[in-house]
This record gives sequence, C-alpha cells and structure tokens, in this order.
Amino acid sequence: QVQLQQWGAGLLKPSETLSLTCTVYGGSFRGYYWTWIRQPPRKGLEWIAEINHSGSTSYNPSLKSRVTISVDTSKNQFSLKLSSVTAADTAVYYCARGSYTSSSGDAFDIWGQGTMVTVS
Amino acid sequence: SSELTQDPAVSVALGQTVRITCQGDSLRSFFASWYQQKPGQAPVLVIYGKNNRPSGIPDRFSGSDSENTASLTITGAQAEDEADYYCNSRDSSGKYRVFGGGTKLTVL
Repeated sequence: QVQLQQWGAGLLKPSETLSLTCTVYGGSFRGYYWTWIRQPPRKGLEWIAEINHSGSTSYNPSLKSRVTISVDTSKNQFSLKLSSVTAADTAVYYCARGSYTSSSGDAFDIWGQGTMVTVS
Repeated sequence: SSELTQDPAVSVALGQTVRITCQGDSLRSFFASWYQQKPGQAPVLVIYGKNNRPSGIPDRFSGSDSENTASLTITGAQAEDEADYYCNSRDSSGKYRVFGGGTKLTVL
C-alpha cells in the first residue's frame, strides 16, 4: 500500500524559506507526477507545483517566482521550497501522488498527512 | 479567483440525493476529479474521469459531465458524507492544475 510521509519546519519568520519533503513508501516513483498542494486556514485547496520522476516540473504561475520543486529518486523523495514567505503563506501543505490517463484524466489518489506551516 | 466555480454550500436531507456542480470552460476539454475533505483530515479522491470510483468509495458516489459542467452526485446521502467537496481539473491552457473553491455539504 502506497503511503506518503511528509515533514518540514512548521514555524517560520517572514522572509524565510519554507522547506518540506515527502517520502513515497511502498510504490513506484515512475509513472506518476508528485505534487504539492496547500490549504490556508478555513480556505480552499491550491495547487502549487508538480514534478515527475525525470524531473520535469510545472508550477502555479502565481507562485512560480518563489517555488522550487525537486526530486530524489534514489530516496523516493520529492521536496518543496518556497522562498520569501509571508503570513499569506500560512497553510496546511500536502504532498500528493498524481496520475494521468487519456481515458480518465488526472487524479490525486494518495495524499500525505499534511504539515501545518505558520509564518509569524 | 478560481477558473472552476462551485456553489459554496449545499444541503441534503438524510437519504436523499444531492448533486454538487463544478463549472469552468476547461471542463469542455478536461475531466474533473472530486475530493472529499472532512475537518482536520487530508482530502480523499472520490471520483475521477468520466465516472470512476477508487477502491473503497461507496457506489452512492457518482460523477457526470456536460459541456462546461462536472457534477458529483450522492444518491442516498449518509450522515458521514457531510464534508467539503472540491473539484479539480486543468486551467484553460491545459498546463496547470486548478481546484474549485469547494462546496460545504450539510446532511440534515
């Protein structure tokens, strides 16, 4: 059974860099895209970025200038860095596994447990 | 603002049928997927593609689409279905993922 385990600092000061890592247990890294999604308190979900096993990336245009997503296939891990954080970046951050087929489209079928990141 | 539009809140009587909709121009070209989120928990995929349910999702959940609208239907809503529901698809360029604003479902 595939599981995602994520970790990272939960309290940051303004202007610092958020850093989160997600490890994939029990499944293949290939054939999927690995995604970061966040949710500010009492608000909806926001897609941040994704990466596949070969390192091909896609970023939310509204965050692109501050976001870096990377992958370490030897450790089955992918990571998120968000620079110059402000209070507006306070949110629960989730890692998720994304899959795509032409017949079924996209789906985020496995999620991490979430990490609350507070900028204050 | 999101490129996918959802009603903020919907209610349904216990055992009745409810439809939650998601509108956006990109839905003419791309499938939607649907996620259920209960307080303090990570979202859970409930429907993807034309009408596919992951293993473990009850068959009272179904999906459909028409033109620029995707729908999630719960037939015979249960108390445990009370949650926030989010649709996801691509933006109009097809390059990026986007979520709808979410619908809070109340089961009366």
